[in-house]
Amino acid sequence: KAGVTQTPRYLIKTRGQQVTLSCSPISGHRSVSWYQQTPGQGLQFLFEYFSETQRNKGNFPGRFSGRQFSNSRSEMNVSTLELGDSALYLCASRSGGIDTGELFFGEGSRLTVL
Amino acid sequence: GDSVTQMEGPVTLSEEAFLTINCTYTATGYPSLFWYVQYPGEGLQLLLKATKADDKGSNKGFEATYRKETTSFHLEKGSVQVSDSAVYFCALIPNNAGNMLTFGGGTRLMVKP
Repeated sequence: KAGVTQTPRYLIKTRGQQVTLSCSPISGHRSVSWYQQTPGQGLQFLFEYFSETQRNKGNFPGRFSGRQFSNSRSEMNVSTLELGDSALYLCASRSGGIDTGELFFGEGSRLTVL
Repeated sequence: GDSVTQMEGPVTLSEEAFLTINCTYTATGYPSLFWYVQYPGEGLQLLLKATKADDKGSNKGFEATYRKETTSFHLEKGSVQVSDSAVYFCALIPNNAGNMLTFGGGTRLMVKP
């Protein structure tokens, strides 16, 4: 069974640009979450989607957005990039429902903003 | 708000040594508690979990007990191996919060042969 796949794995952008990251969950999983990992702030929750609907959102500015498609694949977008957006962005999937989260994480997309 | 505090690393041990990584939390109600592990170059993996007070989670020789009275979920292993070298994250999900994990800062464990 294939795991969570994130693309691209590495990317470099400049300030002011925008970026789109993609996540393909494990087959059959309907819930996708996104996390930001930085050395200073650690792992922080961005948002969660279930059946194409945003279910929860973390404390991030509106420049951070996401969506989920009917096949459960998800994208997140960051507009007007800032240096502080440099981070490892992790996607996680779960089968769904309101159970107590075994999340399956991808290897992440490492974004560097210059 | 909810928070998780874990001991800073790195923790350096010799093979077969006893491991404890402390984790305490602040949350209302009865959160679910987790330990995740991140091996070099890999994504996070669930190591163990506990969903109610006095539950003990265990996996791969690691154990942690949900202590409501001390708001703690310390990770222990009796005899570590070089292959246990990784970063360990303590985390919680508040009641009915879906996938909103709140993570501690992570503790890097280095095991030397």
